Amino acid sequence: AQSVAQPEDQVNVAEGNPLTVKCTYSVSGNPYLFWYVQYPNRGLQFLLKYITGDNLVKGSYGFEAEFNKSQTSFHLKKPSALVSDSALYFCAALNNAGNMLTFGGGTRLMVKP
Amino acid sequence: NAGVTQTPKFRILKIGQSMTLQCTQDMNHNYMYWYRQDPGMGLKLIYYSVGAGITDKGEVPNGYNVSRSTTEDFPLRLELAAPSQTSVYFCATRTGASYGYTFGSGTRLTVV
Repeated sequence: AQSVAQPEDQVNVAEGNPLTVKCTYSVSGNPYLFWYVQYPNRGLQFLLKYITGDNLVKGSYGFEAEFNKSQTSFHLKKPSALVSDSALYFCAALNNAGNMLTFGGGTRLMVKP
Repeated sequence: NAGVTQTPKFRILKIGQSMTLQCTQDMNHNYMYWYRQDPGMGLKLIYYSVGAGITDKGEVPNGYNVSRSTTEDFPLRLELAAPSQTSVYFCATRTGASYGYTFGSGTRLTVV
């Protein structure tokens, strides 16, 4: 069975500093990986995805993610954090049949002024 | 274009009561999903559907039922509510050609 792990429950960063939210995965075959963001009392919003191609994927709101096959990681990054980036972030992997998305436990990002 | 609409937004149930969480989409997406999100946890898949008339169990289907009579609607039924079903429920859709999911805004259910 595939799994997704987000080792940090919370990440704290100062506004203007770079941020990284970590994700590791365990899937069979080629991984299809995603990042979603959830603001309070809202549904999940798509940020970016890796299907194939370049290991550095660019997404919404200035976020990007680096796919590393040897380390089975898909870390979310942003060069300069904003207070408005504070939210809950989920990493997810799609199964081989393409019909089920498995989520990590989520990481709360707190950006302080 | 409303996307994915979930009703109600909030509900309090007593143990043993039943209810139906509604999910409607206007994007003509084939795939629809029901997830639950427990506090501090990721989302767990309850049931999913790949098209009208077809449904299948996810990771945590016990205590729930679904139906998919039309492309637009994918209701989730709780027959005998239990405190363990206190959670936030999200409906999601995607097309067959795309891997991006669209989520509804959720239903917060409390069973007391």
